[in-house]
Amino acid sequence: DTGVSQNPRHKITKRGQNVTFRCDPISEHNRLYWYRQTLGQGPEFLTYFQNEAQLEKSRLLSDRFSAERPKGSFSTLEIQRTEQGDSAMYLCASSGGTYSYNEQFFGPGTRLTVL
Amino acid sequence: SQQGEEDPQALSIQEGENATMNCSYKTSINNLQWYRQNSGRGLVHLILIRSNEREKHSGRLRVTLDTSKKSSSLLITASRAADTASYFCAPQTSGSRLTFGEGTQLTVNP
Repeated sequence: DTGVSQNPRHKITKRGQNVTFRCDPISEHNRLYWYRQTLGQGPEFLTYFQNEAQLEKSRLLSDRFSAERPKGSFSTLEIQRTEQGDSAMYLCASSGGTYSYNEQFFGPGTRLTVL
Repeated sequence: SQQGEEDPQALSIQEGENATMNCSYKTSINNLQWYRQNSGRGLVHLILIRSNEREKHSGRLRVTLDTSKKSSSLLITASRAADTASYFCAPQTSGSRLTFGEGTQLTVNP
């Protein structure tokens, strides 16, 4: 296992379009998190899954954002009707391993640019 | 808020020197985690210290935790140019969200 992977790594889209990102967590991890990071800031929490259940959503997650983890493995984050303010790095993390249950391991991120 | 606040915001040192970064938080925690982020990359987990631990070491890293003062410090000894990165602390109340501050930007000059 090579860690958390995210696809695509970069996405450029026009305002108003829909985009979808994918995250594949570390295979033994049952928890999966989405964060958003803008330049010069720390990551901001968006949402969190335990297995397939979405247990927590930030107020940052407007109605245009939806996340799923249908089989408790990979997750998708969709943004509908993108706005320029959605431009950011979207980070996925997973946790829940046997020996490091609370440590979150991050993927490389998907950089979204909305024109 | 359980958000960690890092101090200083920026730190510039010479290779071989030690770097100390501090973190303060406001609520009771289960653990506190430190992460490193190289420019434009994802976060790398460095170390987790539990609330009942006072000090933890990992290679050139030393983390302390003072729950009475709600503060933590990260010491990097014998710094290298490759240590140049942003460093974030993240106090955690339960096994859920991490709340990050703005980080400390460390620059190690060769």
